[in-house]
Amino acid sequence: EAGVAQSPRYKIIEKRQSVAFWCNPISGHATLYWYQQILGQGPKLLIQFQNNGVVDDSQLPKDRFSAERLKGVDSTLKIQPAKLEDSAVYLCASSLDYSYEQYFGPGTRLTVT
Amino acid sequence: AQSVTQLGSHVSVSEGALVLLRCNYSSSVPPYLFWYVQYPNQGLQLLLKYTTGATLVKGINGFEAEFKKSETSFHLTKPSAHMSDAAEYFCAVSDAGGGNKLTFGTGTQLKVEL
Repeated sequence: EAGVAQSPRYKIIEKRQSVAFWCNPISGHATLYWYQQILGQGPKLLIQFQNNGVVDDSQLPKDRFSAERLKGVDSTLKIQPAKLEDSAVYLCASSLDYSYEQYFGPGTRLTVT
Repeated sequence: AQSVTQLGSHVSVSEGALVLLRCNYSSSVPPYLFWYVQYPNQGLQLLLKYTTGATLVKGINGFEAEFKKSETSFHLTKPSAHMSDAAEYFCAVSDAGGGNKLTFGTGTQLKVEL
């Protein structure tokens, strides 16, 4: 069974630029999560989708971050414009349903200069 | 609000020695508790979880953890460390029935020395 796929794996941008990350969850998984992991900290949930609907986006900085999950499968997370403090690893995870184990992708490491 | 405290950002043990990684949680409702491991440049992998029932939970790779409600703790142990155990370990908590939202600790980097 293929795991959670993310791309790109690494991205370097300048502040005020925009960037997008892509996530392909495990086939059949209804719930998809995006986490932000800043160096030295644990992952923090940014947004949770159930199929193509948003369940929780309370910690998503909505002035600059946006996410979508069209058709309830793939998802993209966008940052526009990026700030230095957005430098982090962005992890995508999926689960069969909201009460099941979360499986994590390898992450995208973003560096904002 | 829930929170997780992991004591010791770095732990070093000798190969073959006991591994003990500490985790304390704060939750106003019965928690679900998890331990994840993260190898360099990889995502998180679930080691074990406690939801209900038996308080001693066994996971993969010889790890186990015990839920102690009176101490609000969920420490991770392994009797004999192996070089391959070197990684970062995260403790996490979620509300029972709370939509699976995980709150993570800051992590403990485990180093295993010969």
